[in-house]
Amino acid sequence: KNEVEQSPQNLTAQEGEFITINCSYSVGISALHWLQQHPGGGIVSLFMLSSGKKKHGRLIATINIQEKHSSLHITASHPRDSAVYICAAPNFGNEKLTFGTGTRLTIIP
Amino acid sequence: EAEVAQSPRYKITEKSQAVAFWCDPISGHATLYWYRQILGQGPELLVQFQDESVVDDSQLPKDRFSAERLKGVDSTLKIQPAELGDSAMYLCASSQPRDPGANVLTFGAGSRLTVL
Repeated sequence: KNEVEQSPQNLTAQEGEFITINCSYSVGISALHWLQQHPGGGIVSLFMLSSGKKKHGRLIATINIQEKHSSLHITASHPRDSAVYICAAPNFGNEKLTFGTGTRLTIIP
Repeated sequence: EAEVAQSPRYKITEKSQAVAFWCDPISGHATLYWYRQILGQGPELLVQFQDESVVDDSQLPKDRFSAERLKGVDSTLKIQPAELGDSAMYLCASSQPRDPGANVLTFGAGSRLTVL
């Protein structure tokens, strides 16, 4: 089973700050997911990446396959970015996802 | 934009009662997942379907939970009888692994269950 660890567990920042959330996994994977969950809401898939970097608006996701590490960055953070960010990695061989426990991000105006 | 539909959004029931959740995945998505998310934790896979077949139900408490996807399209997750510990968000997701370019996992809004 893939072990997925996220850090930090909680992050509070001022509006406009550059945000970095980290994810480490234990087993080689085909692709890693970054997900966003607003309080009481469903989950939105932000990125699925297998190498390099992807960018969508103010969100950037990077992955280093050799180091088994991925980061999610938010530039010019805004209060509406406040949510739980979850990374998920498939278990080797069956693609069953193992989810990290999430990073609760709070952006203060 | 295509989305995964779930109902009901909220369900309050008493323990020992039966409860059912429904999910309609994105059209054409062959793979459908049911996840349970307890407050403060990451989602836990309950069952995975490929078309109408169950691929993985190893974490499904089969004494009280059942899931079906009879025509390989929409799916129903049932709990009977409900217990207090079943209070959670039940999330449905779908993907289309046959099309790698579109292989993004899409979640529904979830069904929040409260068992009293």
